[in-house]
Amino acid sequence: GESVGLHLPTLSVQEGDNSIINCAYSNSASDYFIWYKQESGKGPQFIIDIRSNMDKRQGQRVTVLLNKTVKHLSLQIAATQPGDSAVYFCAESTGNMLTFGGGTRLMVKP
Amino acid sequence: DADVTQTPRNRITKTGKRIMLECSQTKGHDRMYWYRQDPGLGLRLIYYSFDVKDINKGEISDGYSVSRQAQAKFSLSLESAIPNQTALYFCATSDFRRGRAADTQYFGPGTRLTVL
Repeated sequence: GESVGLHLPTLSVQEGDNSIINCAYSNSASDYFIWYKQESGKGPQFIIDIRSNMDKRQGQRVTVLLNKTVKHLSLQIAATQPGDSAVYFCAESTGNMLTFGGGTRLMVKP
Repeated sequence: DADVTQTPRNRITKTGKRIMLECSQTKGHDRMYWYRQDPGLGLRLIYYSFDVKDINKGEISDGYSVSRQAQAKFSLSLESAIPNQTALYFCATSDFRRGRAADTQYFGPGTRLTVL
């Protein structure tokens, strides 16, 4: 039978637009969160992280927002480029181990 | 990340065969991990090692074993491969330090394993 999760949630955006990828995490005790980018045929690459004592952190073209009240994490990519096309995973940590979300596929239309 | 290498990158094998996947890192990290990724799914932890003498089962360790030969090397074995072990396998490392609330993991390029 078909595996659950075979079809990833997909976000399709126009080149140059901003992208927002969302993630709901499960453990209210998680104290550290990471966003990874995985391009086709490659391993996940670290993008940006945030600690639970923060609600926003900015990097180059990327911003991560953390809402602990509703256990929600988002990744915002400004001026999305074709090279941003990939699967994006969030991960949560309680200090020892990471637990990964299922991923969102970002497709950038030229 | 060239600091974490995996061999082989691709492998096709038959049901019942024993397979070893190898991982090496030059990052000097103490912690190493093996994950499995299935199409459209996230990463699931198979085994992890916090140092050479510390090996722990992850979420899906059945049918797998590991060996931490040195700080830099962590191998994953499939004792008797079966078709539902067909997947992408990733090795990762991290450098968790006491007092740091962070455990960023750095991944290798992956091994695509097909079991016929």
